Amino acid sequence: ELVLTQSPGTLSLSPGERATLSCRASQSVSRSFLAWYQQKPGQAPRLLIYNASDRATGIPARFSGSGSGTDFTLTISRLEPEDFAVYYCQQYGSSGYTFGQGTKLDIK
Amino acid sequence: QLQLQESGPRLVKPSETLSLACTVSGGSISSSDYYWGWIRQPPGKGLEWIAYIFYTGSTYYNPSLMSRVTMSVDTSKNQFSLKLSSVTAADTAVYYCARLIRHVHQDAFDIWGQGTMVTVSS
Repeated sequence: ELVLTQSPGTLSLSPGERATLSCRASQSVSRSFLAWYQQKPGQAPRLLIYNASDRATGIPARFSGSGSGTDFTLTISRLEPEDFAVYYCQQYGSSGYTFGQGTKLDIK
Repeated sequence: QLQLQESGPRLVKPSETLSLACTVSGGSISSSDYYWGWIRQPPGKGLEWIAYIFYTGSTYYNPSLMSRVTMSVDTSKNQFSLKLSSVTAADTAVYYCARLIRHVHQDAFDIWGQGTMVTVSS
């Protein structure tokens, strides 16, 4: 079973700073199957990145994704106040879809 | 634009069956470009994929839930549904329906419903 491990669990940063969120898979996965979501309190998740590095419609350019194999990264170049939320990576494997446990990005 | 809306009982008794529907508006559920899925989130926890379906009725279930889950689609109502049997308190969660794109280089849930909280309690 494919397991996604996100780190850190919580990341405390200030607006304007750069955020780097990690997603590590227990086995090598295809970039095509790696996506990132943002979730704010009381809201549904929002797709940010698919195919490991492609931004979804309407997603600002400050969000970027990278990685391959077992290690993937979501980078937010300059944090805006609205970026403080929980971020999940998601992968498709032999058992279907799996989400990481999430990284909470909060204001320092 | 496309919208999804979950509906169904908010309170289900233990051992009974949870039933939810997702109505799609602003687009056709019968599109060959998309699948339709369910994801849940227990209070304060992460996301868990439950199942997805194609408009033809082909279904794909999370192996950990497969024995209790049934998905169906009603193209005449532009709606798809979820049934989860023999529920326990562990099934208490916000249940989301979502559109799933499964293309080469694009495999993700791109549009989500607002979610509905379902509590399992006597």
